[in-house]
Amino acid sequence: GAGVSQSPSNKVTEKGKDVELRCDPISGHTALYWYRQSLGQGLEFLIYFQGNSAPDKSGLPSDRFSAERTGGSVSTLTIQRTQQEDSAVYLCASSVPGSDTQYFGPGTRLTVL
Amino acid sequence: AQSVSQHNHHVILSEAASLELGCNYSYGGTVNLFWYVQYPGQHLQLLLKYFSGDPLVKGIKGFEAEFIKSKFSFNLRKPSVQWSDTAEYFCAVNAYNAGNNRKLIWGLGTSLAVNP
Repeated sequence: GAGVSQSPSNKVTEKGKDVELRCDPISGHTALYWYRQSLGQGLEFLIYFQGNSAPDKSGLPSDRFSAERTGGSVSTLTIQRTQQEDSAVYLCASSVPGSDTQYFGPGTRLTVL
Repeated sequence: AQSVSQHNHHVILSEAASLELGCNYSYGGTVNLFWYVQYPGQHLQLLLKYFSGDPLVKGIKGFEAEFIKSKFSFNLRKPSVQWSDTAEYFCAVNAYNAGNNRKLIWGLGTSLAVNP
């Protein structure tokens, strides 16, 4: 079956612009996660959705970052007024209810010039 | 705060050598433990996991890991590596908090290069 998909695969933007990153989880997966993978920094948790609600937003680095999920499926991560330090690979993962095994998408590589 | 430590950042081995990658975590409560692998140009995929029961777990491609609760460790092993094992390996821990969040706490990863 289809895995987690993310778009775009690559995004180059100028400092100060807004960007939107999209995640399509595996069908039936109610939990959705966003992570950021920076060079040499490992994976950093950003936000967790259960259905359309986000019980844990503790990893969002600043108020320039926001995310939403609609219909219990697609999620969008928005970064406003991008900065060079936002450059990273943004990963999305999903899991079935009650499971701790997360399935990852291919990521979106964001480069802020 | 919960954390995961991977001791080896870069490992270089020859084919047929044995592999052990260290992983330690800091959390005194119930944990689920994972090893994920990221092959060059591919996305993260689950290698193996421990939830409960036998502390020696076996994963794909001949990998295994042992959970030692007293040492807060979950080391990854493989008796004989192959060139195709060249990848980045990540240890991750799910530590249950009051909100029952299932977020994973990650180590920084270990880059493994296997020379043919």
